[in-house]
Amino acid sequence: KNQVEQSPQSLIILEGKNCTLQCNYTVSPFSNLRWYKQDTGRGPVSLTIMTFSENTKSNGRYTATLDADTKQSSLHITASQLSDSASYICVVSLDRGSTLGRLYFGRGTQLTVWP
Amino acid sequence: DAGITQSPRHKVTETGTPVTLRCHQTENHRYMYWYRQDPGHGLRLIHYSYGVKDTDKGEVSDGYSVSRSKTEDFLLTLESATSSQTSVYFCAIISGWTSTDTQYFGPGTRLTVL
Repeated sequence: KNQVEQSPQSLIILEGKNCTLQCNYTVSPFSNLRWYKQDTGRGPVSLTIMTFSENTKSNGRYTATLDADTKQSSLHITASQLSDSASYICVVSLDRGSTLGRLYFGRGTQLTVWP
Repeated sequence: DAGITQSPRHKVTETGTPVTLRCHQTENHRYMYWYRQDPGHGLRLIHYSYGVKDTDKGEVSDGYSVSRSKTEDFLLTLESATSSQTSVYFCAIISGWTSTDTQYFGPGTRLTVL
């Protein structure tokens, strides 16, 4: 069964600290892995997209890593800010060749950054 | 936001009434999606469209129908709303048609069925 599991479910950190969110998946065949940020009351926003051949991708203070062999990904947030408080969603795409395959969504990690 | 709007943004309705949610996009994207988001669940796909009059079911399509008569509009209809359909509904588009194109979401519609 194709699934995406995220941990932890929720996380509280102090402003300025770093944190790492985890994503494990069983989606196969794998095409790509995406991380989204969703602020409360808004739609998700894409942070990174990584294919099988990419081990790491950065977007500002966000760095995603991918280990396709172990089917694990992490999202590392550096020097957290209050605006980082949000739900972070891991999404894995099924491989359908060059066209877009089905997207499988994790339930998200709710990050709260305290001043 | 890739020019995506949803209407209405909030709606309260009664069980058994029909409800139609509208997703409108201004950039001629081919792929459009409807998701629902509930506490304890990830985003779940209801229906999607890969072109005018081309639609397909997602994982939670029971009780929902869709129509796409124009590229820019994707309508989601609840023929007879039930309390289990109380949720936040998101429309999304894919900016292209390749596997790594970016997905963009609308602002969401909060639907309450009493």
